[in-house]
Amino acid sequence: SQELEQSPQSLIVQEGKNLTINCTSSKTLYGLYWYKQKYGEGLIFLMMLQKGGEEKSHEKITAKLDEKKQQSSLHITASQPSHAGIYLCGADMWGNKLVFGAGTILRVKS
Amino acid sequence: GAGVSQTPSNKVTEKGKYVELRCDPISGHTALYWYRQSLGQGPEFLIYFQGTGAADDSGLPNDRFFAVRPEGSVSTLKIQRTERGDSAVYLCASSRDQTDEQYFGPGTRLTVT
Repeated sequence: SQELEQSPQSLIVQEGKNLTINCTSSKTLYGLYWYKQKYGEGLIFLMMLQKGGEEKSHEKITAKLDEKKQQSSLHITASQPSHAGIYLCGADMWGNKLVFGAGTILRVKS
Repeated sequence: GAGVSQTPSNKVTEKGKYVELRCDPISGHTALYWYRQSLGQGPEFLIYFQGTGAADDSGLPNDRFFAVRPEGSVSTLKIQRTERGDSAVYLCASSRDQTDEQYFGPGTRLTVT
């Protein structure tokens, strides 16, 4: 069973708009990873968060981990068509193996 | 440098047949992982190697699934007596060590007819 809940399941945004994807765990996270996946391809590593309250940014993507280390958000500023894809959060719950959420499908309309 | 590579990219096999899926990790990465991803789902953990040994195989669904990494680099996932339910994308990932981020290959899409 999934131990990570992602929301929304999918969203469509107009190019240039901001958006946020959430990832919630019922257990404390030792590490939280964000990946992006294009259909039929592997996962592209975006960011890793380990400390409560941590925030990281890369280009127009910002990821945060809350103080309790049970919820993370991924925020995209001024979305572009290149941001389209499936965003997956993965949790390091037992040391090495990752447990993933079901993913959020993002479409960006030009 | 080169990323994680997987072969074949696609494999179609008949129910009951044996298949082997290959993973070439990033050079120097000691940790290697296999995951399985079904349509509309996130990847599910199968097995983790640290060096040549399987450190955690708790995700393998049954004894038809087996994986090896004899020289601590290339790994092969082996599935015996394939069933239609085995159809999925099999993803391989590697990391420098067990605490580092995992880098994924493009996957092998397995279809069992």
